[in-house]
Amino acid sequence: GAVVSQHPSRVICKSGTSVKIECRSLDFQATTMFWYRQFPKQSLMLMATSNEGSKATYEQGVEKDKFLINHASLTLSTLTVTSAHPEDSSFYICSARKQGSSQYFGPGTRLTVL
Amino acid sequence: KNEVEQSPQNLTAQEGEFITINCSYSVGISALHWLQQHPGGGIVSLFMLSSGKKKHGRLIATINIQEKHSSLHITASHPRDSAVYICAVMEGGGADGLTFGKGTHLIIQP
Repeated sequence: GAVVSQHPSRVICKSGTSVKIECRSLDFQATTMFWYRQFPKQSLMLMATSNEGSKATYEQGVEKDKFLINHASLTLSTLTVTSAHPEDSSFYICSARKQGSSQYFGPGTRLTVL
Repeated sequence: KNEVEQSPQNLTAQEGEFITINCSYSVGISALHWLQQHPGGGIVSLFMLSSGKKKHGRLIATINIQEKHSSLHITASHPRDSAVYICAVMEGGGADGLTFGKGTHLIIQP
């Protein structure tokens, strides 16, 4: 099966710092990667869609200057939360999609901003 | 925007019971996912359906495209099935992200 990894799995940082989260497809090339966010007791919400080599498409209400997405290769996408604040504390999950196939989810990253 | 509704929100059952979780959506889709989320947050994709029925072990998923409705069934439920089950829909050709339901929190008691 297709495997997607995320790193780190858990991060605690101080308010005002930036945090980078990596999403890797380990055994396939992902034409598209998606970033989702889940607040406690809430549904997962799509933040942005990332295609390799092009700019990410952000959902309404998601600040592109705050959540920087880089999809430099077919196996790696990164999400950087810049100048993190406590309200950014959430569970961030990526998924990767290969051509003509389903989405495969990473294990998620729990971000806590103090 | 697709509205995805799941029911029930919470379900507690005894080991061995037959479980049904329902999902309805408002706009036509190209595929529907059933996902399982464990307490640590990790998500496992159980099924992706675009029509009919799929079975994997004790899990069965069905979808009725005309009625915009899908069900996930668990036969001979076991405490290890305890998790949050999430329905998610995909519109178009799959280039867009999924729209998720709020999830059904299932607890199977021994």
